[in-house]
Amino acid sequence: AQSVTQLDSQVPVFEEAPVELRCNYSSSVSVYLFWYVQYPNQGLQLLLKYLSGSTLVESINGFEAEFNKSQTSFHLRKPSVHISDTAEYFCAVKEASGSRLTFGEGTQLTVNP
Amino acid sequence: NAGVMQNPRHLVRRRGQEARLRCSPMKGHSHVYWYRQLPEEGLKFMVYLQKENIIDESGMPKERFSAEFPKEGPSILRIQQVVRGDSAAYFCASSPPGTPGEQYFGPGTRLTVT
Repeated sequence: AQSVTQLDSQVPVFEEAPVELRCNYSSSVSVYLFWYVQYPNQGLQLLLKYLSGSTLVESINGFEAEFNKSQTSFHLRKPSVHISDTAEYFCAVKEASGSRLTFGEGTQLTVNP
Repeated sequence: NAGVMQNPRHLVRRRGQEARLRCSPMKGHSHVYWYRQLPEEGLKFMVYLQKENIIDESGMPKERFSAEFPKEGPSILRIQQVVRGDSAAYFCASSPPGTPGEQYFGPGTRLTVT
C-alpha cells in the first residue's frame, strides 16, 4: 500500500517570497504523482501531475514540482507567491496499475502582504 | 463541458436519518470515485464505481454506507442512520476510461449531523 507524507501542515510566507511545500511518498510499485489545490469551501483542482517522462512538471500559474525517485519526493515550489495562492495544497499518489488516489494530510499555504 | 456536479452542496441531518449524496460525472466519464474529508484531515478514498459496477469499495465503512452508479442517472452515496461522526465533506471525482489516473473533483457535499 502507498502512503503520502506532507511534512508541513502550515506554511506562512510573505507575498513575492519563494515557497516549497514538501511531499514524500512510499510505494513498492510504480506511481503517478499529483498536486491538488483546494480553496476555501471548494473542491479540489488539479495543479500538476507527474505520469512519466521529464521529472520536472509545471503548472500554468507558476508552480513546479520535481519527481525524485531516489528520495521518493515530489516537492512543490513557486519562486514568487501571490496573495491569491493562499489555499490548502494536497499531494496525492496513485499506483500506476491502481485506481484510488492516496492523499497527504494537506499543507495550508498562507501568503501575507 | 460542465465539470463534476454534486448536490446538495450542504446537507443537514439529525442523528438516525438517512443522507443521500448525488454526483454527476463529467460528460464522457464512466468512472466515479467517492472520497471523504473529515475536519482537519486529508481526503480518504471510499469507493470506486463504473456504470452498474462497484470496482473497489475497500474504503467504505462496513455498515450504513452504500454506493451505486446506475446505467442512467447520477452516482449516489447513501448513508443510513447517520451519526455525528459522519459529519464531513464528501467529494466525488470522475475520470474517463483509459486514462492513467487523472481525476476531476466536484465541489463536494458538506454533511452536518446534528
